[in-house]
Amino acid sequence: EPEVTQTPSHQVTQMGQEVILRCVPISNHLYFYWYRQILGQKVEFLVSFYNNEISEKSEIFDDQFSVERPDGSNFTLKIRSTKLEDSAMYFCASSETPGNTIYFGEGSWLTVV
Amino acid sequence: SQQGEEDPQALSIQEGENATMNCSYKTSINNLQWYRQNSGRGLVHLILIRSNEREKHSGRLRVTLDTSKKSSSLLITASRAADTASYFCATARGYSTLTFGKGTMLLVSP
Repeated sequence: EPEVTQTPSHQVTQMGQEVILRCVPISNHLYFYWYRQILGQKVEFLVSFYNNEISEKSEIFDDQFSVERPDGSNFTLKIRSTKLEDSAMYFCASSETPGNTIYFGEGSWLTVV
Repeated sequence: SQQGEEDPQALSIQEGENATMNCSYKTSINNLQWYRQNSGRGLVHLILIRSNEREKHSGRLRVTLDTSKKSSSLLITASRAADTASYFCATARGYSTLTFGKGTMLLVSP
């Protein structure tokens, strides 16, 4: 079964450093998402992306965050200057069309120290 | 107000028993999706039910949706130890963004 793949599975970074989390969505999917889950808390929406542009973003997705689809397969989330509170599991997800099943990857654990 | 709140927060049962988890939400939705998460792992999609559907089945899973009460339930029949996980409902108000609840932690003992 096709799946969303994410790398790295775990990253430890120093506060203030830039981090790039990478994702390969399911190949025929057109809509891509990033969500995050702080330990012990709800899964929260960050951003959705379609046709090479952001279609929706949450209040969490401030100027420190950016997304990019640098080629035909990868979808990345960049955090420019990490803060301690950015420590979380970051999930990439994709769907074929809006209103259909959203498939999630295994997540990337980010620990900011 | 919170969208997608699961109940109970934790549920402990024996193998072979049925497990029922409930989800309530506040606003109108386009669809509702149930996910499973093993500790520290990714979100596994279980079932999507649309606002015009009332019930869906997938293997041992049965999901109901009552839009008049703004609630959904997930029933796992004949549970197994491998069903031990956290279960989340997620509501889609539009056509893409999901809003997750806090989840129900299910423990199935052999």
